[in-house]
Order: sequence, then C-alpha cells, then structure tokens
Amino acid sequence: ETGVTQSPTHLIKTRGQQVTLRCSSQSGHNTVSWYQQALGQGPQFIFQYYREEENGRGNFPPRFSGLQFPNYSSELNVNALELDDSALYLCASSFKIGTEKETQYFGPGTRLLVL
Amino acid sequence: GENVEQHPSTLSVQEGDSAVIKCTYSDSASNYFPWYKQELGKGPQLIIDIRSNVGEKKDQRIAVTLNKTAKHFSLHITETQPEDSAVYFCAASIPPYGQNFVFGPGTRLSVLP
Repeated sequence: ETGVTQSPTHLIKTRGQQVTLRCSSQSGHNTVSWYQQALGQGPQFIFQYYREEENGRGNFPPRFSGLQFPNYSSELNVNALELDDSALYLCASSFKIGTEKETQYFGPGTRLLVL
Repeated sequence: GENVEQHPSTLSVQEGDSAVIKCTYSDSASNYFPWYKQELGKGPQLIIDIRSNVGEKKDQRIAVTLNKTAKHFSLHITETQPEDSAVYFCAASIPPYGQNFVFGPGTRLSVLP
C-alpha cells in the first residue's frame, strides 16, 4: 500500500450536478496530481498542485478545478457533470525537489458514474 | 505534446516464461520513465522506473531498458508467475512539468498456470 487514500470509493451522480473528490497524500509528500482513467485506457493527467498552487494542467476544461490544503491533502471538483466524466479518478502524491522527476504514488481511486 | 504508444495490448504467457512489453515516446526531452502495474479495482502501483542517464535497470525478475536515440523503452519480466497477471502501463515525463506523465494505453498480461 502507498499510504495515499481517496474518498469516496464510489459515487453516482446525474448529468449537470457537481462533485468533490478527496485525497490524502502519503506522509512527507508535498505534491498532488490528479488523473482521469476511462475504462480500458491509461490515466490522463488533469492537474498538479504544489504548495497549494496549481503547478501544471492537462487538456481538461475549467469545470475541472482543484485545491490543495496546508496539510497537502487535496480536492478535485467537477462542475456541470457530463456523461463522459464517468471514469476512475486517481490521485497521486510525490515529493518535489527542484526539477528532479520524482516518483508518484497512486491511491486506489474514486469511481464516478454519471447518469 | 508527448505521445506514448504501447504494445502489445494483450499478452498471454505460460507460467515460467518471459514477458516483454514495449513502449515508444515522441518527445525527446522526456527523461523519466516509470512502469506501473494495475490490478482490478486498485490504483496503479509503481514496479520499476528508469531515468534517461542509464540504459538498463533491474530489480529481481523485472528489468527495464531504455534507448533514447530510438525513443523506446521496454519492460522485461522473467520467470512469470500467476500473480504477475494484471494491466501494465508505461509512462513518460511531460516537459517542462517535472512530475507529470503521459501514460501508454496499457497491456493486459495473463500468466497461464
């Protein structure tokens, strides 16, 4: 186990609703990244937070937003849910030092179903 | 942007045989390449990684090779066991962001007893 936890494990929402997913980083880690994994595909990078600020963003619309808290936990918020938002949402934590590529450790994910 | 291709999409081997999964990437600036194993209902688990300053890395039954000139890297699993059955993902770092990756589409490995 990586020590990264996510909640809830499963969630069902209807189109147009809003959802908040939560992640607790592994102890000692200061960076959180969020990924979307559609069924049968590899994870796709949504964004990363470092020191409570967005530190990079993938090709996702502004209705995907996030927060990182002083204890390095994080939230992913998705507004105006669409059917295509149905996926496994993965949180990964790491410890950032300068520009060195550090290993990311994934949580178990939150499976979101949009009806 | 970075694009990562992965082959094969499915792979079946007999227990004890070797398995090889190959990936190619497009951005020559990528310099960190992790491999993840994902079991059903779980998040990806790091199994090995390699940085661009080395050509090969080994950890017990698992090895990774990197050819920066050709922009491809491979995962080798020897003496496969049934518990190796899972989906394997390769990934490449996204310049200029330090710690985020583009993942390949995955390889479903089945080890037959």
